[in-house]
Amino acid sequence: GAGVSQTPSNKVTEKGKYVELRCDPISGHTALYWYRQSLGQGPEFLIYFQGTGAADDSGLPNDRFFAVRPEGSVSTLKIQRTERGDSAVYLCASSLSGGVGDTQYFGPGTRLTVL
Amino acid sequence: GQNIDQPTEMTATEGAIVQINCTYQTSGFNGLFWYQQHAGEAPTFLSYNVLDGLEEKGRFSSFLSRSKGYSYLLLKELQMKDSASYLCAPKGDDKIIFGKGTRLHILP
Repeated sequence: GAGVSQTPSNKVTEKGKYVELRCDPISGHTALYWYRQSLGQGPEFLIYFQGTGAADDSGLPNDRFFAVRPEGSVSTLKIQRTERGDSAVYLCASSLSGGVGDTQYFGPGTRLTVL
Repeated sequence: GQNIDQPTEMTATEGAIVQINCTYQTSGFNGLFWYQQHAGEAPTFLSYNVLDGLEEKGRFSSFLSRSKGYSYLLLKELQMKDSASYLCAPKGDDKIIFGKGTRLHILP
């Protein structure tokens, strides 16, 4: 596709439920990033994939959060036992190679609301 | 530790010039990005500086001083569509760290 796409655009769930958020990066981009953004804050890093492997998952807040990228393109962010504090916009970005000056291109985000 | 400091909000008039400052501390340094983010939308890339000095790109310019841990984004000939948040984002040893952003309001 022309840009990074994310689905769903909005997700409302109940506390304790499981959710999956999907990211489809720009074709040919090997690096993929997940961020979380709360109102009035900048994007907060969660995890970075280089190809199929998680090169850096130091931003995942706890073991309820997990992400995969099995074929090196589409990625899924999985959140178990959701809590109200997980409510935020989840942004995905991709870049060509993850190199030093590589520009990250962001998707439109998924707005997650946990009731 | 890692820290990014930029003003929370700024107001300027259409047609004027505004400078958004950013100071940063990171573990290692591999350049600094500026992103624009309109309300409810994703961040979009504006500029990248890795060497000291000024990079000019149309109405937008970005400056970097690595020794001072300082950058600014200069917007000229402001237009109403420039109303947005501007995110300062230095790249440390391994990842980009985003500031909280400066919300810029443009008055007619």
